[in-house]
Amino acid sequence: DAGVTQSPTHLIKTRGQHVTLRCSPISGHKSVSWYQQVLGQGPQFIFQYYEKEERGRGNFPDRFSARQFPNYSSELNVNALLLGDSALYLCASSFAGGPYNEQFFGPGTRLTVL
Amino acid sequence: KQEVTQIPAALSVPEGENLVLNCSFTDSAIYNLQWFRQDPGKGLTSLLLIQSSQREQTSGRLNASLDKSSGRSTLYIAASQPGDSATYLCASGNRDDKIIFGKGTRLHILP
Repeated sequence: DAGVTQSPTHLIKTRGQHVTLRCSPISGHKSVSWYQQVLGQGPQFIFQYYEKEERGRGNFPDRFSARQFPNYSSELNVNALLLGDSALYLCASSFAGGPYNEQFFGPGTRLTVL
Repeated sequence: KQEVTQIPAALSVPEGENLVLNCSFTDSAIYNLQWFRQDPGKGLTSLLLIQSSQREQTSGRLNASLDKSSGRSTLYIAASQPGDSATYLCASGNRDDKIIFGKGTRLHILP
């Protein structure tokens, strides 16, 4: 079975632009979470979606938004990009929502904002 | 607000040694504690998940323990190998529906 997949692998944008990152969970998993990992730091929780509903939200500005589709895949959108948004964006899937389920991570999308 | 700390930030040990990585958390009302491995520039690989009702989990040369009352978890690696070199992260699953990570311990096994 395929693990969590993310696209694209790498992305370069300029300040002020918009970006969309995509994630497909493990087959059978209904929850997707998004994390931002800045170099040298642990991942920071952005969103969790379960059954197409937002289950949790971290301390990120409204420029960050996400959604989950009927097939449980997900998109993370970031508007008005800032230099500080440069990071590795990680997607994790789990069987159900909530923090009590084991999280399985994808390879990440490396976003560089110039 | 939950805070997760990992000490040391970096560790170098000779091949073959047993070692312990530490993870501490401030709020003991957690659902679980999960340990991950991350290779440079890569995603996270789940190693062990300990539910709040459990004291330890084992997988091969890895053993993770959880002491909620003291707010600590340890990851024990037996007979370390150069392939174990990576960053090891712990994360707590919390009752506010958030998962909080530590900053990780960079482990280097010397051949």
